[in-house]
Amino acid sequence: DGGITQSPKYLFRKEGQNVTLSCEQNLNHDAMYWYRQDPGQGLRLIYYSQIVNDFQKGDIAEGYSVSREKKESFPLTVTSAQKNPTAFYLCASSWLGGNQPQHFGDGTRLSIL
Amino acid sequence: GIQVEQSPPDLILQEGANSTLRCNFSDSVNNLQWFHQNPWGQLINLFYIPSGTKQNGRLSATTVATERYSLLYISSSQTTDSGVYFCAALKYGNKLVFGAGTILRVKS
Repeated sequence: DGGITQSPKYLFRKEGQNVTLSCEQNLNHDAMYWYRQDPGQGLRLIYYSQIVNDFQKGDIAEGYSVSREKKESFPLTVTSAQKNPTAFYLCASSWLGGNQPQHFGDGTRLSIL
Repeated sequence: GIQVEQSPPDLILQEGANSTLRCNFSDSVNNLQWFHQNPWGQLINLFYIPSGTKQNGRLSATTVATERYSLLYISSSQTTDSGVYFCAALKYGNKLVFGAGTILRVKS
């Protein structure tokens, strides 16, 4: 089936540790996105990428990094510089163009040990 | 940037009742989507509806772009409809802006 796969579903981070969240899509979409959701709130954009080897910061990029080496993959690294990383992280993809709907993966819950 | 406001923030329904959720946005949009987030956190696409009316089973949505609002109708609600409903809008570029959501609880 076509879709967006995020892994792992649950992730725990120790103080000072970097962790990487995986996002893979087989929809052949050009654009991919990472969002953060805090309890009781909507989603906020962290980073997005429209093409391989290119990406742009969203509204809350500090403490995060991304790469886009392959069209189907867009991993997110939560660095030790992100002081409040506990949240639900959602990856999305779409065709290029703002008038294209975005489709979401099932998310990764990140917690601090 | 564009602002998205949803109302009501919370809604409790008896099973079988109908409801209307509202989304107001502050500028013209190229993209407007409605999502349902279930208790497990999965975000399900309901409608892509920058203008006009669409229906899918018991759900329908209407966007009046000139007046900058969208409505999501849920008829004959079921307990499985419970969760959070999000509206998200985009004017240009790729920054989809989400509202704060409406928490829906359907009681049996």
